[in-house]
Amino acid sequence: EAQVTQNPRYLITVTGKKLTVTCSQNMNHEYMSWYRQDPGLGLRQIYYSMNVEVTDKGDVPEGYKVSRKEKRNFPLILESPSPNQTSLYFCASSLGSGDNQPQHFGDGTRLSIL
Amino acid sequence: GENVEQHPSTLSVQEGDSAVIKCTYSDSASNYFPWYKQELGKRPQLIIDIRSNVGEKKDQRIAVTLNKTAKHFSLHITETQPEDSAVYFCAASSIDSWGKLQFGAGTQVVVTP
Repeated sequence: EAQVTQNPRYLITVTGKKLTVTCSQNMNHEYMSWYRQDPGLGLRQIYYSMNVEVTDKGDVPEGYKVSRKEKRNFPLILESPSPNQTSLYFCASSLGSGDNQPQHFGDGTRLSIL
Repeated sequence: GENVEQHPSTLSVQEGDSAVIKCTYSDSASNYFPWYKQELGKRPQLIIDIRSNVGEKKDQRIAVTLNKTAKHFSLHITETQPEDSAVYFCAASSIDSWGKLQFGAGTQVVVTP
């Protein structure tokens, strides 16, 4: 089954404790992206990747890191999480190939930073 | 950068009536405009998209129109049903920076029987 898989689905942690949210897709998609969703703000793009070893900042990259060492994986790293990063996070992927294609979203990760 | 505004933020319609959601964008280079539906507690899912070389696209009860001159695009849902209740997001992206997708703030649609 074609899917985007995020882990964990839920996480409660404390300020300053490094965490990684994994994202994996099995569709051989070139493009992957991370979004955060907050009430009244819609989906805001954090980082995106057009291919292996190619990453770019979205609208809200501060406090986040990403890497794209393999095509299928695109982890989101919070080196020193803070309470303002409490949010619902979505990973997405698409064919890419130099143009916009429909994005397939994962089920989301709800992060609470205390 | 691109800025997408979406209206209304909430929309209540009677079952069987039509619903219209409007979005405006700021970047004249934008050429791709998808619409996503997000049911409560679920992931966003693409319902329809349109590119700038087309003025209108239809898929059963859903249609999207694009006015490039005015820089706005709209989602039309006809004969609404209770299962259309969800949050709908518009988005825009440019061919110059095609990886960047800017979303509107969303519209909560409630269809009452």
